[in-house]
Amino acid sequence: GQNIDQPTEMTATEGAIVQINCTYQTSGFNGLFWYQQHAGEAPTFLSYNVLDGLEEKGRFSSFLSRSKGYSYLLLKELQMKDSASYLCTGFDNYGQNFVFGPGTRLSVLP
Amino acid sequence: DAGVIQSPRHEVTEMGQEVTLRCKPISGHNSLFWYRQTMMRGLELLIYFNNNVPIDDSGMPEDRFSAKMPNASFSTLKIQPSEPRDSAVYFCASSLARGANYGYTFGSGTRLTVV
Repeated sequence: GQNIDQPTEMTATEGAIVQINCTYQTSGFNGLFWYQQHAGEAPTFLSYNVLDGLEEKGRFSSFLSRSKGYSYLLLKELQMKDSASYLCTGFDNYGQNFVFGPGTRLSVLP
Repeated sequence: DAGVIQSPRHEVTEMGQEVTLRCKPISGHNSLFWYRQTMMRGLELLIYFNNNVPIDDSGMPEDRFSAKMPNASFSTLKIQPSEPRDSAVYFCASSLARGANYGYTFGSGTRLTVV
C-alpha cells in the first residue's frame, strides 16, 4: 500500500519560487500525480511523473525520485491565483490504491 | 466536452434518509472513481470502476454505502440510512485508462449535509 506525506501549509510571496515536497511509501509504484484544488472547487490535474527526473510545464515543474520515494512540485513566478491546496497522489503496479496525500495549502502573499 | 457531471450540487437531508448521488463521466473514459473529502480526513477513495465493473470498494465506509455503474455513462453512490458523519463533499472522477498519464477529471462535487 501507500502512505503519502506532505507539509500541511506553506506561505510564499508573489513572484517568488516555492517547492512543495511529497514523500511516499509503496510496494509497487506506477505513477505519481500532482493536483491543484482551489477552495470550494474540485481538484484539477497538474502533472504526472512515471520516470525519474523533472517534468516542466510552464511555470510548474514536477520532479520524481523513485528510489527515494520522493517528489516535489516547483512553482515559479508565483501569482496570487496560485493560492490553493496542492495534492500528490500515486498508484501501484496493480492500478489500485489511488491514495491522495493530505494536501499542502499554499498561501501567496502580495 | 461537458466534463464530469455530478448532481445534485448540494444536498441537505435528515439523518436516516436515503441519499443518492449521481455522476456522468466523460464520454470514452473507462475508469470512474468516487471520492469523499472532509477537512479531517482529506480526499478518500471510496470505490472505483473499470469498464463498469467495481474493482476496489475497500474504501466504502460500511454497508450503508453502495455504488453502481449500470452503463458507461452513469454511476450512482447511495447512502442508506444517512448519518451526520457522512456530511462531506463527494467527488466523482473519470479517466481515460487506469494508470494512464492523463490524470483524473473531477466533477464539481456534491456537498452533502446530514442534519
